[in-house]
Amino acid sequence: EIVLTQSPGTLSLSPGERATLSCRASQSVSSSYLAWYQQKPGQAPRLLIYGASSRATGIPDRFSGSGSGTDFTLTISRLEPEDFAVYYCQQYGSSPRMYTFGQGTKLEIK
Amino acid sequence: EVQLVESGGGLVQPGGSLRLSCAASGFTFSSYEMNWVRQAPGKGLEWVSYISSSGSTIYYADSVKGRFTISRDNAKNSLYLQMNSLRAEDTAVYYCARDFGGEGARTTDYWGQGTLVTVSS
Repeated sequence: EIVLTQSPGTLSLSPGERATLSCRASQSVSSSYLAWYQQKPGQAPRLLIYGASSRATGIPDRFSGSGSGTDFTLTISRLEPEDFAVYYCQQYGSSPRMYTFGQGTKLEIK
Repeated sequence: EVQLVESGGGLVQPGGSLRLSCAASGFTFSSYEMNWVRQAPGKGLEWVSYISSSGSTIYYADSVKGRFTISRDNAKNSLYLQMNSLRAEDTAVYYCARDFGGEGARTTDYWGQGTLVTVSS
């Protein structure tokens, strides 16, 4: 089973700054199967990025994803107040068929 | 608009049972694979179970195998999770999530708002 490790655990930044969140897999992951989610308190996760770099419907272009193999990155180019939340990476595995998630990165206002 | 609405959560004693439902609307439910994902209080996300569009293929996380049963009724646009032999560690918000397999990707694109299951005596 592939383990996803996200870093940092908490990231403290100010609105307008650039955020870089990391997701490292314990073994190589197909880029097609790597996604990123945003979750705010009391809400369900929202899909931001799928296929490592494709933005989901309605997601602003300040969100971008990159990476391959075992190292993936979510970048928020200029933080807006509504971007402060917890972010999870997710990978799909076909054998066995399942999804696994990273432990999350909390993006908080500095 | 895609909508997923979970129901059926509540307080149950250890060893008890509960059946969760997820009502789907705004898309052709019978064409989509579905999942249950849970989140313990203050913790991260854990995938629980998957069911194919026809219901013929099913998978479970090891943590719930043998205790939970996923099913669906395409005529009623509904997804279910029967949870038996519940344990304290099953306490979580349970989300239903639609599977997305476009453009060669594989993920979950729409999630319900979740229903809280609390296992406690």
